[in-house]
Amino acid sequence: QVQLVQSGAEVKKPGASVKVSCKASGYTFTGYYMHWVRQAPGQGLEWMGWINPNSGGTNYAQKFQGRVTMTRDTSISTAYMELSRLRSDDTAVYYCAREYNWNYVYWFDPWGQGTLVTVSS
Amino acid sequence: EIVLTQSPGTLSLSPGERATLSCRASQSVSSSYLAWYQQKPGQAPRLLIYGASSRATGIPDRFSGSGSGTDFTLTISRLEPEDFAVYYCQQYGSSSTFGQGTKLEIK
Repeated sequence: QVQLVQSGAEVKKPGASVKVSCKASGYTFTGYYMHWVRQAPGQGLEWMGWINPNSGGTNYAQKFQGRVTMTRDTSISTAYMELSRLRSDDTAVYYCAREYNWNYVYWFDPWGQGTLVTVSS
Repeated sequence: EIVLTQSPGTLSLSPGERATLSCRASQSVSSSYLAWYQQKPGQAPRLLIYGASSRATGIPDRFSGSGSGTDFTLTISRLEPEDFAVYYCQQYGSSSTFGQGTKLEIK
């Protein structure tokens, strides 16, 4: 079955960087864009951007431009999201989600289980 | 950036009742780019509706979506205990945004 499995929880100090992984299985990794979405504690969902696993091309939300880098390793069907210069308000659960489209209709499914990143001194 | 505003923020209903959740966009959104998700505590979001009105695989037919342009609606015809959760609408054009969510709670 199609599945996304993310790396485990992280605790980082302000100013540090974090790199979260998302391993895909059950489908052709290079055939579908991968998105990253975060959710601060008790808050809603915030879209961060996408990566095209085939070409490596990316599109980041303006809010994260200059701080986020999305990469992939096609040999192990894994996407990565690295966020730098961490602040306390970056504390959140970070999700990867596969974009699916059919006949120019788009949606995100499935989602990874989420990775909690805590930024604290 | 397209802003999605969901209402109400919290909806208190009893099992068996009908729920109507609203999602309003700051500018017109193609129906092809409008989806709804359900999220329960400690879980990842789950796709319910895509293309504004198509149910995802395995989603019961008590869930339905409708709307176009700037106004979209998620309707749950008869609430089951497992339906009490937070619901998000999402638009995806060149970028993506989510509404702030509607919490559906047991009355």
